[in-house]
Amino acid sequence: SQQGEEDPQALSIQEGENATMNCSYKTSINNLQWYRQNSGRGLVHLILIRSNEREKHSGRLRVTLDTSKKSSSLLITASRAADTASYFCATVFSNTGNQFYFGTGTSLTVIP
Amino acid sequence: GAVVSQHPSWVICKSGTSVKIECRSLDFQATTMFWYRQFPKQSLMLMATSNEGSKATYEQGVEKDKFLINHASLTLSTLTVTSAHPEDSSFYICSALDKSIAKNIQYFGAGTRLSVL
Repeated sequence: SQQGEEDPQALSIQEGENATMNCSYKTSINNLQWYRQNSGRGLVHLILIRSNEREKHSGRLRVTLDTSKKSSSLLITASRAADTASYFCATVFSNTGNQFYFGTGTSLTVIP
Repeated sequence: GAVVSQHPSWVICKSGTSVKIECRSLDFQATTMFWYRQFPKQSLMLMATSNEGSKATYEQGVEKDKFLINHASLTLSTLTVTSAHPEDSSFYICSALDKSIAKNIQYFGAGTRLSVL
């Protein structure tokens, strides 16, 4: 399977704390993207990191990519209750063109 | 970000009927759209890649005759679940690929919840 794996599967934190989610994958990628999904809704694109990049920032989000370890992490700083959602990483592999393969997801709960 | 409209958002149907789901990119042209299926509390599973003007590419294990995909224009792809059965009940999500300015970002519809009785 080309599906990535994420950990933890579920994460519960207090508002204001930082949340870190990890994603691992198996083969060479073109880029890796993080998406957010609120319950029963579609996905919202958060950030894209290319295979030649190591770190990207967007607001309270920080994404790192370690291609040698085939892993990425998403850090949400100063979390808010509104950040409660499921977070997925999506990998775009070098040999499959535009297909995205989603990780198993991390369910984040931010307690007010 | 770009807007992708998916319709209907929820459909309930009897076993044996066919259901069509539409996916439209509203503010950009999408030569490539994707269809995913998601079970409760699970990740998205790619079902097929829909290419405008050509046949869809299905992932392994997805029945082509069961899930008919048509991408007749640059802004519309449809997924028809034929002769639906209760095991087809799921959340179906489409996405449209924005290749402009080398973005390579997929924009997702809000999803369609299919319940087959």
